[in-house]
Amino acid sequence: GAVVSQHPSRVICKSGTSVKIECRSLDFQATTMFWYRQFPKQSLMLMATSNEGSKATYEQGVEKDKFLINHASLTLSTLTVTSAHPEDSSFYICSAHPSANYGYTFGSGTRLTVV
Amino acid sequence: KQEVTQIPAALSVPEGENLVLNCSFTDSAIYNLQWFRQDPGKGLTSLLLIQSSQREQTSGRLNASLDKSSGRSTLYIAASQPGDSATYLCAVMDSNYQLIWGAGTKLIIKP
Repeated sequence: GAVVSQHPSRVICKSGTSVKIECRSLDFQATTMFWYRQFPKQSLMLMATSNEGSKATYEQGVEKDKFLINHASLTLSTLTVTSAHPEDSSFYICSAHPSANYGYTFGSGTRLTVV
Repeated sequence: KQEVTQIPAALSVPEGENLVLNCSFTDSAIYNLQWFRQDPGKGLTSLLLIQSSQREQTSGRLNASLDKSSGRSTLYIAASQPGDSATYLCAVMDSNYQLIWGAGTKLIIKP
């Protein structure tokens, strides 16, 4: 149980376009989901906390208007990278947990390349 | 503020050896501690979850211990195999249900 599905696994887009990444909890409801970014050979960095039915909470230094997060249902959160630039190229991972007692489960990640 | 430290940052051992990865945290007020594995370019796989009331968890060749009072956890890998090569991450869930991460230990098992 506690499976998180993330799509797409890999995307290449042109500079200036927008890309949407989906994160779904398949067998549990998640009022909160988390979005991370990881640059090569670096640690995971929490970008934002997605809250179902309300605004996301962004970490310091993360641009809200650039990384749009929508958590419209208890099983789906989306991250849209708007007007993508090459420096946005990174590995994006989402996570969620059914409860504090269960621990976190992570999606398989999305490799974004902006050309 | 909770801080999580993992030692060593990198480790290379011959196949077959038993090894220990260390994780320490500064605030004992945690809900649980998780060990993850990350392969290059891949997502994270949860290996073991230890609740704050537990002392250890085992899964196959892996054993994780937790000493909350001293702020320490260890991940023991028995009879290491080349397929165990990965980065191992330790994370604690704090009182706000947030995950606080260690920087990871990059493990290489030499055939």
